[in-house]
Amino acid sequence: DVKVTQSSRYLVKRTGEKVFLECVQDMDHENMFWYRQDPGLGLRLIYFSYDVKMKEKGDIPEGYSVSREKKERFSLILESASTNQTSMYLCASTPRLAAYNEQFFGPGTRLTVL
Amino acid sequence: AQSVAQPEDQVNVAEGNPLTVKCTYSVSGNPYLFWYVQYPNRGLQFLLKYITGDNLVKGSYGFEAEFNKSQTSFHLKKPSALVSDSALYFCAVRPVEGSQGNLIFGKGTKLSVKP
Repeated sequence: DVKVTQSSRYLVKRTGEKVFLECVQDMDHENMFWYRQDPGLGLRLIYFSYDVKMKEKGDIPEGYSVSREKKERFSLILESASTNQTSMYLCASTPRLAAYNEQFFGPGTRLTVL
Repeated sequence: AQSVAQPEDQVNVAEGNPLTVKCTYSVSGNPYLFWYVQYPNRGLQFLLKYITGDNLVKGSYGFEAEFNKSQTSFHLKKPSALVSDSALYFCAVRPVEGSQGNLIFGKGTKLSVKP
């Protein structure tokens, strides 16, 4: 059974803290994605990676960075958390070769920044 | 700009009645089309996809979707709704050209099925 896991389901941080969100997939997928989900806005792509050490900006990269040191792990970093980054964060992965393959999502991390 | 529209924020149906959740898209070329479902406090689960061929595709949990190229629509349907179908539904599109697997998502439609 394919699996994408995220390090925390719920996280509470303070403004200005550095925050790490971890995502691990066990499907040997090349592509990995970070989204944030907000009511009425759907899913918005923050960053994606199509290979180890590779990263590309999505639609809303400001205030975020990412790291992909190993194929199975994709980390999202909030350098200095702000209250407007309170959101649900979703990680996903997909194999590269077939564009018609669906993305597999993790359970999400609900981040609250106080 | 490429986009996906889900014109209804919420759809209410009675259990046992048919349901439709609407999706239209504006993407160049012939895209791949997807539906996902999200239950409360959970990640997204894949329901079904259209790649090519028959315009009616069948997916998980009795859901199906009809692709209409002329209307650029991909509406999700189910003949008989269940209370357990209550969830948030997302339509997504992947342009075939120039893609690294990126999806364009609609804003979601909340489905509420009442007993």
